[in-house]
Amino acid sequence: GAVVSQHPSRVICKSGTSVKIECRSLDFQATTMFWYRQFPKKSLMLMATSNEGSKATYEQGVEKDKFLINHASLTLSTLTVTSAHPEDSSFYICSARDPSSDTQYFGPGTRLTVL
Amino acid sequence: SQELEQSPQSLIVQEGKNLTINCTSSKTLYGLYWYKQKYGEGLIFLMMLQKGGEEKSHEKITAKLDEKKQQSSLHITASQPSHAGIYLCGADSSNTGKLIFGQGTTLQVKP
Repeated sequence: GAVVSQHPSRVICKSGTSVKIECRSLDFQATTMFWYRQFPKKSLMLMATSNEGSKATYEQGVEKDKFLINHASLTLSTLTVTSAHPEDSSFYICSARDPSSDTQYFGPGTRLTVL
Repeated sequence: SQELEQSPQSLIVQEGKNLTINCTSSKTLYGLYWYKQKYGEGLIFLMMLQKGGEEKSHEKITAKLDEKKQQSSLHITASQPSHAGIYLCGADSSNTGKLIFGQGTTLQVKP
């Protein structure tokens, strides 16, 4: 079946540093990928839509300068959390839409802890 | 804005029992997705429903979408401990792939 990978799975960083998270679709080309954030024991909240070859579109309340998204190829989207602060600590999950089936597959997630 | 209500929030059943989880949208949906999640892990795709009245099954799990495409149910027959986890419904109301999620249902299956 379709597989979406994320790297790293876990990252701990100091406050003020930037962290890059990669999301790759392994079995199909994805013109659209999505980034979600999940707080402990809460559901997923959509942050932004990553569009290959164009700018990402952000959901209301999500700072685009804080969460930089780049969709450099049809199989790779990156999320960079800039100048991270403890309140950015969270579980970040990406998804990719398989255009042949409209099915959306999720990555395993990245646990970010900002000290 | 769209709302997606999922019920119940949590469920504890004895192994072998059947159970149903419901998901209701305030808008007509283009697609309704069911996922399973273990805490701290990614989402495992279960099923996607797009047509009114559609029903899909995989092993002991059956998902249905009503004719109006606003309500879905996930039914597990003869539950097993391996079914334990968090079940999430995700709704796409705009055919953009952007999913709004329900609150999730935490299922525990007692051996």
